[in-house]
Amino acid sequence: GDSVTQMEGPVTLSEEAFLTINCTYTATGYPSLFWYVQYPGEGLQLLLKATKADDKGSNKGFEATYRKETTSFHLEKGSVQVSDSAVYFCALESAGGSYIPTFGRGTSLIVHP
Amino acid sequence: GAGVSQSPSNKVTEKGKDVELRCDPISGHTALYWYRQSLGQGLEFLIYFQGNSAPDKSGLPSDRFSAERTGGSVSTLTIQRTQQEDSAVYLCASSRREGSGNTIYFGEGSWLTVV
Repeated sequence: GDSVTQMEGPVTLSEEAFLTINCTYTATGYPSLFWYVQYPGEGLQLLLKATKADDKGSNKGFEATYRKETTSFHLEKGSVQVSDSAVYFCALESAGGSYIPTFGRGTSLIVHP
Repeated sequence: GAGVSQSPSNKVTEKGKDVELRCDPISGHTALYWYRQSLGQGLEFLIYFQGNSAPDKSGLPSDRFSAERTGGSVSTLTIQRTQQEDSAVYLCASSRREGSGNTIYFGEGSWLTVV
């Protein structure tokens, strides 16, 4: 079945550091890929997505590229801020039409001033 | 409303009691999902409703869990004879169903504690 594997956290960085959160997936065909973010005390919300291979999703300075050859969708940001502290979830929606997203376990990011 | 609304936001119940959790999706969204988020765990799929189709109940962990969606809108998740391992955040989400790659919109969750 479909699965998503994320690097374990917490990831602790200083402000303005470079961020990478790794995400790999297992699925048949070409799933759609997502990053959702959960800020403290808030619900999950979409950060970015990519629906076909080689697409790059971007939002709020974050980027992720859909790599079919490595089955990956790593999240990156060039310079993190304290306000980026949150839990980040990688997810996929199968190409098979089930329309039920599968989520990773989430990676907590803590950014210090 | 503007977003997915869930109630109650917090619920403490005694082991063995039944609980009902309510979800009011975004108006016009035909798809509705329930997930469970336990401490240190990812999001565990529970059940999916799409329009008038039969729900996908494949994620419900036991027959103590059930859900319904009335009139294609509001949904209620019911847990009977609650156990301590049911303690978690129950998340509801909704989306339009327009092909693949749809964004789903989450509520803030219902925190359930079974004591």
